[in-house]
Amino acid sequence: GAVVSQHPSRVICKSGTSVKIECRSLDFQATTMFWYRQFPKQSLMLMATSNEGSKATYEQGVEKDKFLINHASLTLSTLTVTSAHPEDSSFYICSALPPARDEQYFGPGTRLTVT
Amino acid sequence: QQQVKQSPQSLIVQKGGISIINCAYENTAFDYFPWYQQFPGKGPALLIAIRPDVSEKKEGRFTISFNKSAKQFSLHIMDSQPGDSATYFCAASPGGYNKLIFGAGTRLAVHP
Repeated sequence: GAVVSQHPSRVICKSGTSVKIECRSLDFQATTMFWYRQFPKQSLMLMATSNEGSKATYEQGVEKDKFLINHASLTLSTLTVTSAHPEDSSFYICSALPPARDEQYFGPGTRLTVT
Repeated sequence: QQQVKQSPQSLIVQKGGISIINCAYENTAFDYFPWYQQFPGKGPALLIAIRPDVSEKKEGRFTISFNKSAKQFSLHIMDSQPGDSATYFCAASPGGYNKLIFGAGTRLAVHP
C-alpha cells in the first residue's frame, strides 16, 4: 500500500513554455501533498504544501506565480511550471500524507529539462 | 534552527559491515524523525522512523538510535550489502506541521 505515482517521469520543454506534472496517491486519500525539487547530488528542498480544496502554502523564496499548484481532489495534485527557463531544470518529487499519519510517501519523481 | 545536519557526506563500507550515519538537530519542536533511502533517478523510500519517546527502533537490518538530550539520531545498517548502496537522508518534522526538513544526504557505497 501507500503508492504514489507521478506523470510524466521525464519531460523536455522549450524555454518559455509551461509544463504540468501530476501526482496521484493510488491506494489512499491524501488531504495533504508536498512538492519538492532536488538538484543533482543535493538534498530535497520543500517547495510547497498542498491541501485539498485550499490554496497551497509556499516556502520562502518559491514563486507562487511560477509554480502553480492545484490539489483538486484527495488523490491528485498538480504542479505547473509556468514560463519555464533552463534554471528550472531539476528533479521534481511529490509526496502524499495519509490522514492521521506521520509517514510521507514519495512519488518516483519527474525529471524536467528546459532547453 | 530548522536545520538538520547529517554526516558523513559519503561512506564506504565492506560487505557484511555496519554502516552508521548520523544526524543532529537544534529545534526541540521536532517530534518525528524518518530515514529515507534514494536510488539514482528515483524518489525517496521510507526506511524507518522514530519518535522521541523511544531511544531505539529496529526493523530488520535497520536500527535508529535516538538521543533526545544530545539532539542526535543515527541510522545503523547491519550486515551491509551491495544492494544497500544508495543515498540516505535523515529528516525531521516539527510537531503538528508534517513538513519534513531533510539532511544533506549520505552517499553509501557497499563494496563486495
